Amino acid sequence: DAGVIQSPRHEVTEMGQEVTLRCKPISGHNSLFWYRQTMMRGLELLIYFNNNVPIDDSGMPEDRFSAKMPNASFSTLKIQPSEPRDSAVYFCASSQSRDRGLYEQYFGPGTRLTVT
Amino acid sequence: SQQGEEDPQALSIQEGENATMNCSYKTSINNLQWYRQNSGRGLVHLILIRSNEREKHSGRLRVTLDTSKKSSSLLITASRAADTASYFCATAGRWGAQKLVFGQGTRLTINP
Repeated sequence: DAGVIQSPRHEVTEMGQEVTLRCKPISGHNSLFWYRQTMMRGLELLIYFNNNVPIDDSGMPEDRFSAKMPNASFSTLKIQPSEPRDSAVYFCASSQSRDRGLYEQYFGPGTRLTVT
Repeated sequence: SQQGEEDPQALSIQEGENATMNCSYKTSINNLQWYRQNSGRGLVHLILIRSNEREKHSGRLRVTLDTSKKSSSLLITASRAADTASYFCATAGRWGAQKLVFGQGTRLTINP
């Protein structure tokens, strides 16, 4: 299995530009998570989907952030317009329920976003 | 918040020694998980311990869970240079086990 795939691996953009991050979860997994990691705030859950449906988006910082999961094998996280404080590493993770609600998450390599 | 808090924030030991990291949390959990993150990489799942378990082993890893104290520890025995990484505990709530809340992590350095 290829694992969770994220693209791009690095993104440098100017303030005000639109940024789209992409994720392909592990085949067969039915839950997908978007995280953001910074030195100051650590690892924060932004949003997660179950069977392609957004379940909890309480971590999405502002309306500038949006996420979609049009099918079981693809998700996007969009920032429009981007700001320098959005600079972080964004991780996608997927999981599949095993037994009585036990979920271990598999993380992608992350996208390092720099907004100048 | 049920956020896990790791202790210590950083740990530096000699190769071959044992490393112990602790995690505390605030609310009832379904399970607790430990993850490792190498610099510049994604997190890797190490071990999951259920709320009704007290101890679990996986290779050189030993995890304990004390739900009365709302704490867990991760022991890495006979450490190796390749164990150098950040280690995170993550808690899954009793009523929302899909959603994990991660602590700030312990930065472990193994000196050769």
